[in-house]
Amino acid sequence: EIVLTQSPGTLSLSPGERATLSCRASQSVIRTSLAWYQQKPGQAPRLLIHGASSRATGIPDRFSGSGSGTDFTLTISRLEPEDFAVYFCQQYGTSPITFGQGTRLEIK
Amino acid sequence: EVQLVESGGGLVQPGGSLRLSCAASGFAFSGYWMHWVRQVPGKGLVWVSRVGNDGVATAYADSVEGRFTISRDSAKNTAYLQMNSLRVEDTAVYYCARSSSWGDFDYWGQGTLVTVSS
Repeated sequence: EIVLTQSPGTLSLSPGERATLSCRASQSVIRTSLAWYQQKPGQAPRLLIHGASSRATGIPDRFSGSGSGTDFTLTISRLEPEDFAVYFCQQYGTSPITFGQGTRLEIK
Repeated sequence: EVQLVESGGGLVQPGGSLRLSCAASGFAFSGYWMHWVRQVPGKGLVWVSRVGNDGVATAYADSVEGRFTISRDSAKNTAYLQMNSLRVEDTAVYYCARSSSWGDFDYWGQGTLVTVSS
């Protein structure tokens, strides 16, 4: 199975700053079948990005995704207070579907 | 509005069984693949199982293969996860999720907690 490794484990930033989250795959992710999700405490995950770089419906343009092959990045250009949460990457191109272990974005 | 509502979670002893349900509304249920994902509170997401829109194409994580069975009833707009021979390590919040046409999970339910303990 494809193992996804996210870094850093925790990212401490202030509102207004730029956040860069990384997701590295153990083998190439086919057809850029890579998604990013946001999860807040007590809530279900929410889809942010699919196809590595396409924003989901209703997602603000401060969220952007990039990458291909084995290296992917989620960037939040200017952090808003509501962006502090846990972020997961997911590959859905190869069975079994797998998720990264998550990056916690916390307020500095 | 798309809605997925899970039910059926609870406390069960090791070796016991539970059936989870995922009631869907606000979209053409028969046109979408459905998945179950679990999460130990405070930990990561783990894909468990999926069922194709025809109800025939199923797949399971190795950790649940042979113990869990996924199914769907298009007349009731509901997906199910029958969980048998439950183990302590199956304890988690179970989410159902809809698979978009690209394969990502575009809608999720709120989750139902399964606790396996004696």
